[in-house]
Amino acid sequence: QKEVEQNSGPLSVPEGAIASLNCTYSDRVSQSFFWYRQYSGKSPELIMSIYSNGDKEDGRFTAQLNKASQYVSLLIRDSQPSDSATYLCAVPPRDDKIIFGKGTRLHILP
Amino acid sequence: DAGVTQSPTHLIKTRGQQVTLRCSPKSGHDTVSWYQQALGQGPQFIFQYYEEEERQRGNFPDRFSGHQFPNYSSELNVNALLLGDSALYLCASSLAGVDEQYFGPGTRLTVT
Repeated sequence: QKEVEQNSGPLSVPEGAIASLNCTYSDRVSQSFFWYRQYSGKSPELIMSIYSNGDKEDGRFTAQLNKASQYVSLLIRDSQPSDSATYLCAVPPRDDKIIFGKGTRLHILP
Repeated sequence: DAGVTQSPTHLIKTRGQQVTLRCSPKSGHDTVSWYQQALGQGPQFIFQYYEEEERQRGNFPDRFSGHQFPNYSSELNVNALLLGDSALYLCASSLAGVDEQYFGPGTRLTVT
């Protein structure tokens, strides 16, 4: 089983709708989780960190964590064309290294 | 507040050559991690430096080596380049004890 799994997409969402991105991980001892956004040809940008079970909201973004199910998600409300990017789920430093998923390509349809 | 910087932006090398990539961490950060990102893949951890020592290493051969300087900046060296080393090389900085890492703009390496 891969350590961090994401659906590669592409996920197409109409402008103004909610985009839902999902990630599962295998390391039960993980304590913190990150979502990065990566535009084509650019480097990853940290957009959300979550450390506790439940929801964490930041503007149009909501991260959801369920440690029992080893599942973390990212919701983007009122999706905009500028949200079109690849979203990378990252599992916390284990032995001081972050494990990234392959990323989900999100395409917001105008 | 200066963010993470990397140089050069792009680099073209021939198989068998050696390359050095450079990274300066975000102001206030003392830890530097290096990642390799192939097209369509997530970043793969190469190694991490803290207090001028390699703390952890991913599944990369010894051709990949690094260094951290007293000012926390870091270098990634790759010897005997292979075509498969063509990728975006990312440097991320963080503060020891804090999980969040911030990436630089990356160096695009092409090996011909």
